[in-house]
Amino acid sequence: AQTVTQSQPEMSVQEAETVTLSCTYDTSESDYYLFWYKQPPSRQMILVIRQEAYKQQNATENRFSVNFQKAAKSFSLKISDSQLGDAAMYFCAYFSQGGSEKLVFGKGMKLTVNP
Amino acid sequence: DVKVTQSSRYLVKRTGEKVFLECVQDMDHENMFWYRQDPGLGLRLIYFSYDVKMKEKGDIPEGYSVSREKKERFSLILESASTNQTSMYLCASSWRGLPGANVLTFGAGSRLTVL
Repeated sequence: AQTVTQSQPEMSVQEAETVTLSCTYDTSESDYYLFWYKQPPSRQMILVIRQEAYKQQNATENRFSVNFQKAAKSFSLKISDSQLGDAAMYFCAYFSQGGSEKLVFGKGMKLTVNP
Repeated sequence: DVKVTQSSRYLVKRTGEKVFLECVQDMDHENMFWYRQDPGLGLRLIYFSYDVKMKEKGDIPEGYSVSREKKERFSLILESASTNQTSMYLCASSWRGLPGANVLTFGAGSRLTVL
């Protein structure tokens, strides 16, 4: 079964600094998708970024970028120029149509942004 | 703008009560999901539905049932609520059939307390 591991339950960063959130996953599939979702306090979860495994180029969305290492099964999220609004729970997730066809989430990581 | 609406943000119920959690989406999505979110455990899938009147068990279906009579509405039912079902419940929806289309749109969540 596919698993997603977020080894750091909490992190903090100073405003305007850069922080990297780690995620590893386990799969035997070659074609899959990886996601980072963000859940701000008392607000709904939203998609931050998505990566297709067949694409070698790392996905980017403004201040958010990923470091996708397929061989290492690693999918880290880098947040540049951190803002107070980035404070949230972040969840890494995996999906494969060849697998269970369900999105598999990691346990989440709480990011605090200090002013 | 909003897309997935959960009828109750906070509920307090007594042990043994029947509880209905309602979710409505206005994006014409085929897929709908119910997740349970607990600290340190991440998101765990309870049930999902690919179409009207269709349902599939997720990872933790025990003690829950679902109903999908219309495409836009997916209800989670706790037949006899127990204290260990105190949790945050998240509804989500997505398109079906497109590779990598499992980008979920989440509702704001329903926090259920069972006394």
